[in-house]
This record gives sequence, structure tokens and C-alpha cells, in this order.
Amino acid sequence: SQQGEEDPQALSIQEGENATMNCSYKTSINNLQWYRQNSGRGLVHLILIRSNEREKHSGRLRVTLDTSKKSSSLLITASRAADTASYFCATGGNQGGKLIFGQGTELSVKP
Amino acid sequence: DTAVSQTPKYLVTQMGNDKSIKCEQNLGHDTMYWYKQDSKKFLKIMFSYNNKELIINETVPNRFSPKSPDKAHLNLHINSLELGDSAVYFCASSTTRNTEAFFGQGTRLTVV
Repeated sequence: SQQGEEDPQALSIQEGENATMNCSYKTSINNLQWYRQNSGRGLVHLILIRSNEREKHSGRLRVTLDTSKKSSSLLITASRAADTASYFCATGGNQGGKLIFGQGTELSVKP
Repeated sequence: DTAVSQTPKYLVTQMGNDKSIKCEQNLGHDTMYWYKQDSKKFLKIMFSYNNKELIINETVPNRFSPKSPDKAHLNLHINSLELGDSAVYFCASSTTRNTEAFFGQGTRLTVV
């Protein structure tokens, strides 16, 4: 069953702007992960935040997690054209260790 | 060095045929997965193996049969292909359950 829903489904911004993507999920989790998928490629892991963490940073990425609202956000600061991709959240801690993915946000960063 | 590799990258075949997709990981991971991504980019898990043992089988038709000869390999065999099987299939692996997954480049299967 689908766990997460992301919004927006598509986001178009100019280089240098910040991009924020949101993810909501339905059940309890062990962790929440964000992945990037460039067109025609596989998914690349970006960041993992555990259920007892509220915020995590990695370079230009900032992830927040609110387990009371069952939601997470991914902020990409000072975006670049190379950030153009689809971004997926995925919840971990499910039966058998499977990741359950959201629908994804398509980010387009215009030069 | 490629961490998770799948072959072939593209597969075009006729309805009714049987085909296989191979996956290998050189990361020393214990857990491997098959995911299916549909035309709307929705990713859904199909199978999960841990140390060659099937852990998850997500209501996938029994035309799909995974095989794990060792913990570095997880192949997917599909019998009697149908039009609805057209999708991108991703292999992935992780050290243990509930950790980050490393994905292959995907196999785009087109059934005509």
C-alpha cells in the first residue's frame, strides 16, 4: 500500500532559489529517507532521518521530521540546474525492511 | 565500480514471452529488493530477500519468480509477459533492513 504523499507534485524555480518539498505518511516509522531520481536513472539516497530526530542537514539539504503530524519536509537551498530531478520520500521500519515510497515531486530548476 | 548493476537496461519483448532480469551487488549487503516503477513514477516493492531467504512477496502475480543464488545476486524471472508488465524494474540492496538502499540503474521493460 502507498504510504506517503508528497506535495507539490511538480515545482519549478529559478537557480539560486530554495525548493521545499513535503511528505506525509500514515503509519509509525523507524526512519524517513529522501531519494533523488534523475531522468532515466536509478534512485540515489540523499538523507535519512530517524524517528527520534527532528532535523538533519547535509550540505545544501535540510530535512525536518514531525512524527506527531506524520510529515517531513526537504529543503534544498541555493538550487542549481543540476538539482533538476524527481525527489521521493520513503518510510522505513516497515515489515521486512521494505521502503514505502511517496509519489514524488518533480523539481525543475531553470538556469 | 558499479555498486548495484542490473542487466539488461532495456528489454523489449512480445506478450507471452518469458524473460529474466539479473541483478548483482558488490557492496556486501545482506538484503536485496525488487521494485517496480510505473508510468506515473510510483515505486512499489515486489520482493525482498535477506541472506538468500525470501522475506517479502508483495502480492505479485506468480508469473514473477525471484531467485537468489547467493546474497550478492537477485534475479527476476517473468513468465508469460503481459502488456501491463511494462514498467521500469529496479533492483536495490541495503546492509540490513531499515537502512538506506542502493539502487541499480533500472531495467525498462516494454511488452508489445
